[in-house]
Amino acid sequence: GQQLNQSPQSMFIQEGEDVSMNCTSSSIFNTWLWYKQDPGEGPVLLIALYKAGELTSNGRLTAQFGITRKDSFLNISASIPSDVGIYFCAGQMNNNDMRFGAGTRLTVKP
Amino acid sequence: DGGITQSPKYLFRKEGQNVTLSCEQNLNHDAMYWYRQDPGQGLRLIYYSQIVNDFQKGDIAEGYSVSREKKESFPLTVTSAQKNPTAFYLCASSIWTSGNEQFFGPGTRLTVL
Repeated sequence: GQQLNQSPQSMFIQEGEDVSMNCTSSSIFNTWLWYKQDPGEGPVLLIALYKAGELTSNGRLTAQFGITRKDSFLNISASIPSDVGIYFCAGQMNNNDMRFGAGTRLTVKP
Repeated sequence: DGGITQSPKYLFRKEGQNVTLSCEQNLNHDAMYWYRQDPGQGLRLIYYSQIVNDFQKGDIAEGYSVSREKKESFPLTVTSAQKNPTAFYLCASSIWTSGNEQFFGPGTRLTVL
């Protein structure tokens, strides 16, 4: 099955900096989800987006559902050390067909 | 405390042995899923189940089997036919409606020696 194109693969930033990552696909999705995964743990849902153009925030995190329904981005403002981890996007076409990006590995230097 | 549990956290098996990974949820979710995660790749769907006593193959079902005898439980068996079984296995669950969000368990790391 087709996976999503997620970029960048990794980021090394200084504490306090803003971060942006995105996912694109050639397919249209009904739902976009963003997860964070700590090493050796399961992904934790951060933000869910349900409508094209929707912009949703969760604390310092902001995500948008692209107008074309083929892309989404996640921004993290004023990064802190505990933001370290792998961020995954997921696009859902119907009830069972969810596709995942390969992840963006974020490192935050204090 | 509602959630999804997976056990064990770490599992070691000899090549040629079948092994069963446990997944339990008390969220009253209808749907459950098994994914495999390899370094640098997105999650890949192995099997999913919408309701009790029914399940469907995902993208990489070969070498795996599942059962869904209870709503709360969805065990995955990694058989000896799976050519490269060493991986991190994640179980998830969701309600079965459009736009559902999947919630993940903590994962089981399987190493086949």
